[in-house]
Amino acid sequence: DAMVIQNPRYQVTQFGKPVTLSCSQTLNHNVMYWYQQKSSQAPKLLFHYYDKDFNNEADTPDNFQSRRPNTSFCFLDIRSPGLGDAAMYLCATSRKYNEQFFGPGTRLTVL
Amino acid sequence: QQQVKQSPQSLIVQKGGISIINCAYENTAFDYFPWYQQFPGKGPALLIAIRPDVSEKKEGRFTISFNKSAKQFSLHIMDSQPGDSATYFCAASITSGTYKYIFGTGTRLKVLA
Repeated sequence: DAMVIQNPRYQVTQFGKPVTLSCSQTLNHNVMYWYQQKSSQAPKLLFHYYDKDFNNEADTPDNFQSRRPNTSFCFLDIRSPGLGDAAMYLCATSRKYNEQFFGPGTRLTVL
Repeated sequence: QQQVKQSPQSLIVQKGGISIINCAYENTAFDYFPWYQQFPGKGPALLIAIRPDVSEKKEGRFTISFNKSAKQFSLHIMDSQPGDSATYFCAASITSGTYKYIFGTGTRLKVLA
């Protein structure tokens, strides 16, 4: 089945230790998004790619970066995780302006 | 003007009852309104979506009602079941430009058996 896959599902890191989360998709969608979702809150958009065109949200901290080496894969790099970065990280994809399909998320714990 | 206001924050419904969740928006440029269902520890899943050229869309037990003049839309879950217990998010977007969703704050629904 075509889908959005996120790895790992659970990630534990230490304060200040860089971490990379990955997302892959078999939908061949040209738009990929990264969201941060904290408990009992709506997903918050961090950035998105339209093809290789990167679009950063104005309030996304510099600590968060992303790479999209090809259509299928997208990575979220957190350079120096703080306790406040503990959250669920969601990847989503869409074909142009249509509905977004979300992956299962990666739960990040910062010790 | 980019906000989407969602209510109620939480909702408890008896099995077999109707669950109603409401959203309101200000930006008349929004032209796509999806609803997502999210279970704990899972990613949001698209439930149903509507565009402003129709006033109602029904898929199984789920119906979106859309009132363009009032700038409001709502989700109705008929014959609510315990398996419907989840958090529901409405969203709005402008499909001609930004590809971005503006999410509501979410409604935690609990359906009692």
